[in-house]
Amino acid sequence: ETGVTQTPRHLVMGMTNKKSLKCEQHLGHNAMYWYKQSAKKPLELMFVYNFKEQTENNSVPSRFSPECPNSSHLFLHLHTLQPEDSALYLCASSPDTGETQYFGPGTRLLVL
Amino acid sequence: DAKTTQPPSMDYAEGRAANLPCNHSTISGNEYVYWYRQIHSQGPQYIIHGLKNNETNEMASLIITEDRKSSTLILPHATLRDTAVYYCIVRVRDDKIIFGKGTRLHILP
Repeated sequence: ETGVTQTPRHLVMGMTNKKSLKCEQHLGHNAMYWYKQSAKKPLELMFVYNFKEQTENNSVPSRFSPECPNSSHLFLHLHTLQPEDSALYLCASSPDTGETQYFGPGTRLLVL
Repeated sequence: DAKTTQPPSMDYAEGRAANLPCNHSTISGNEYVYWYRQIHSQGPQYIIHGLKNNETNEMASLIITEDRKSSTLILPHATLRDTAVYYCIVRVRDDKIIFGKGTRLHILP
């Protein structure tokens, strides 16, 4: 266990649904991240938060909306997704943005 | 783009040392070498990192050549649970992690 938990672990949703992914870290870290891993592609960084402030948005479509209410929790709100958004969504945290990142187990998302 | 080159796959017998090479010929002086691994359908797991000196921890050893243009991750006694994709990443502190395709390591019984 890395100290980073993600829920749900699996999610199936239709293109008109709204759902949220949750990430929680118990490590006292200040930076949190969302990554996307599509089949047979490298991990892609989506968002970076440091001390609850978004510091990076890697040209992610607006149907993905992150929220970081505090340094321990990170959400990814999903709305009107497309089938090509089906992927493994990974959360990570680090003490600060320059330091070693620790990943959660991921949420496997299927969009129908 | 990833700044590293790794073989796409490698096989080792269980119980033997597994040596995973990584080329990073364009590495600059302030860039660290990081290794992560990803077991199937799980999140990446941090293994080890180093700048110039060789490093060892409870999981692995990292050997960095004197010119820093390549490195080797050594799993001293590989087990079946070490079967995973291993990523070699070069980055400056405060820079984002860019994952490449990694090396798919198969540990054979």
